[in-house]
Amino acid sequence: TQLLEQSPQFLSIQEGENLTVYCNSSSVFSSLQWYRQEPGEGPVLLVTVVTGGEVKKLKRLTFQFGDARKDSSLHITAAQPGDTGLYLCAGALNFNKFYFGSGTKLNVKP
Amino acid sequence: DAGVIQSPRHEVTEMGQEVTLRCKPISGHDYLFWYRQTMMRGLELLIYFNNNVPIDDSGMPEDRFSAKMPNASFSTLKIQPSEPRDSAVYFCASIPKGGSAEAFFGQGTRLTVV
Repeated sequence: TQLLEQSPQFLSIQEGENLTVYCNSSSVFSSLQWYRQEPGEGPVLLVTVVTGGEVKKLKRLTFQFGDARKDSSLHITAAQPGDTGLYLCAGALNFNKFYFGSGTKLNVKP
Repeated sequence: DAGVIQSPRHEVTEMGQEVTLRCKPISGHDYLFWYRQTMMRGLELLIYFNNNVPIDDSGMPEDRFSAKMPNASFSTLKIQPSEPRDSAVYFCASIPKGGSAEAFFGQGTRLTVV
């Protein structure tokens, strides 16, 4: 059983559409991170959220940390083919031990 | 800095053989993590070190797996004997001093045990 559940597992959309990816847990995290991974590469950090209710924006990406620090969402506006990849959330139960979600595989078709 | 460097990038071995995966963290980073990634189980934390000392190895699947960090610039993950179910991509990541920051991942080692 995964500590962090991500949904959906797979998402295939057309360029220009909006999408939201969810990351849920019954555990409370001291911080939560979102990573993006491309084939043949390691995950690369997109954002870290620390405070419950925090919202961070990175160009067309909006990240939100739940008020209770148990869940998070990633919203992409006007998706582009370059957004294609595996999106992973990772929560820290203690200072440095991060647990990763199962990932959401996004494919954006031109 | 070249980033986290892992070797080899690909390894194919026969069941029962010993496999050693290598990692060079980013200079100055004092946390090092070993992860395993499979389609079924996603990215699993195996073990992590702080200042070359193993802090938590609760994710190591069984006694066939062992990890060492003899100095700040080198770590190994060894599987002996290897089994087909060990086939996965193994990642090494490092975090700067102070922790709770961005984890920098290597490109991974794709291990296939036949």
